[in-house]
Amino acid sequence: GAVVSQHPSWVICKSGTSVKIECRSLDFQATTMFWYRQFPKQSLMLMATSNEGSKATYEQGVEKDKFLINHASLTLSTLTVTSAHPEDSSFYICSAEGQASGAYNEQFFGPGTRLTVL
Amino acid sequence: SQQGEEDPQALSIQEGENATMNCSYKTSINNLQWYRQNSGRGLVHLILIRSNEREKHSGRLRVTLDTSKKSSSLLITASRAADTASYFCATVYGGATNKLIFGTGTLLAVQP
Repeated sequence: GAVVSQHPSWVICKSGTSVKIECRSLDFQATTMFWYRQFPKQSLMLMATSNEGSKATYEQGVEKDKFLINHASLTLSTLTVTSAHPEDSSFYICSAEGQASGAYNEQFFGPGTRLTVL
Repeated sequence: SQQGEEDPQALSIQEGENATMNCSYKTSINNLQWYRQNSGRGLVHLILIRSNEREKHSGRLRVTLDTSKKSSSLLITASRAADTASYFCATVYGGATNKLIFGTGTLLAVQP
């Protein structure tokens, strides 16, 4: 149980185009999902917290107009990179918050999406 | 930045040896977690230790937490080539959401 999928697993696009990445919780409902970005040989950096039915909360330094997040249902959050540029090339990983024992809701991670902008 | 730091940045050992990675963080936490990431892949949750716990075991993994020093360590015993991966600590500060703040990571290479 607690499987999170991402689609696509990799994408190559031209500079200036927009790319949509989907994050789905397959066997549980997730009120909260998180989006991370990871540059080569670096750690994961939290971009935003996505809450079902409300606006996402962005971390400092992340442009909300460039990285559009929609969490329209309890099993799906999407991240759209608008007008992508080569510096947006990165590994984008989502996680979905599910129920676990105790007070803490464990995060389950998707396999990631490799974005390359030419 | 609240990002924690891990050391060493990279570690190379022989199969069968033990591997120890350390993580330091900056503020009070609710819990600390360790994750593994194989190259170019997603994260695998290894173990969670709560702020009121000092040590936890899971198979060949042993995690310690010292809240007075704001540090944690991950010990992998009897390492295997398949343990080769990047290892990250992540802290949860609590509040309205359980945001995970990841450390800088340790790249572990286990030589067969």
